[in-house]
Amino acid sequence: EVQLVQSGAEVKKPGESLKISCKASGYRFTNDWIGWVRQMPGKGLEWMGIIYPGDSSTRYGPSFQGQVTISADKSISTAYLQWSSLKASDTAIYYCARYTYGIDYWGPGTLVTVSS
Amino acid sequence: ETVLTQSPGTLSLSPGERATLSCRASQSVSSNNLAWYQQKPGQAPRLLIYGAASRATGIPERFSGSGSGTDFTLTINRLEAEDFAVYYCQQYGTLPYTFGQGTKLEIK
Repeated sequence: EVQLVQSGAEVKKPGESLKISCKASGYRFTNDWIGWVRQMPGKGLEWMGIIYPGDSSTRYGPSFQGQVTISADKSISTAYLQWSSLKASDTAIYYCARYTYGIDYWGPGTLVTVSS
Repeated sequence: ETVLTQSPGTLSLSPGERATLSCRASQSVSSNNLAWYQQKPGQAPRLLIYGAASRATGIPERFSGSGSGTDFTLTINRLEAEDFAVYYCQQYGTLPYTFGQGTKLEIK
């Protein structure tokens, strides 16, 4: 059974760094793209980017290029989303998502709250 | 990037009725790589339709997708109480992959 297990909720201050994780199981991690989707409070879904763990190829959405870093450690089947300096506007739920034909599996989401 | 515009923004219907949701793309969606998702409050989205018209595993037959090129439709026949939710389309044919803004299906 495919599972995406995300790290727990985070509360951070503006300017702090953060790395959240998504551990995959039940399939060959290196064979499928995996990515991140943002959902700000009360808003829709936004495509952030994807990574192919097999060769670490990464693609970003224009709004997120340079703002976040997506990475993966294939030795532990885990994808990451990282910020070097958080802003209040980064407050959102972040979903990890596996791509085959569309997103067939979603993680439960990680709530990130950025507040002074 | 490909902009997806969903309409209507909100659709008010009664159980048993048919829902028709639209997703229009600003340019042709490559290989009809268009998916539909359902999201209920407090939950992650769930894949309903991929490839514009193929139902995902476990999705009831009352959900169907159609369309090609720039115009796509999600139809839900005989609405049930559990179908009232927010629906998103997504194109995954051309990077960056993009989502529509969503259609809220509410009980009339």
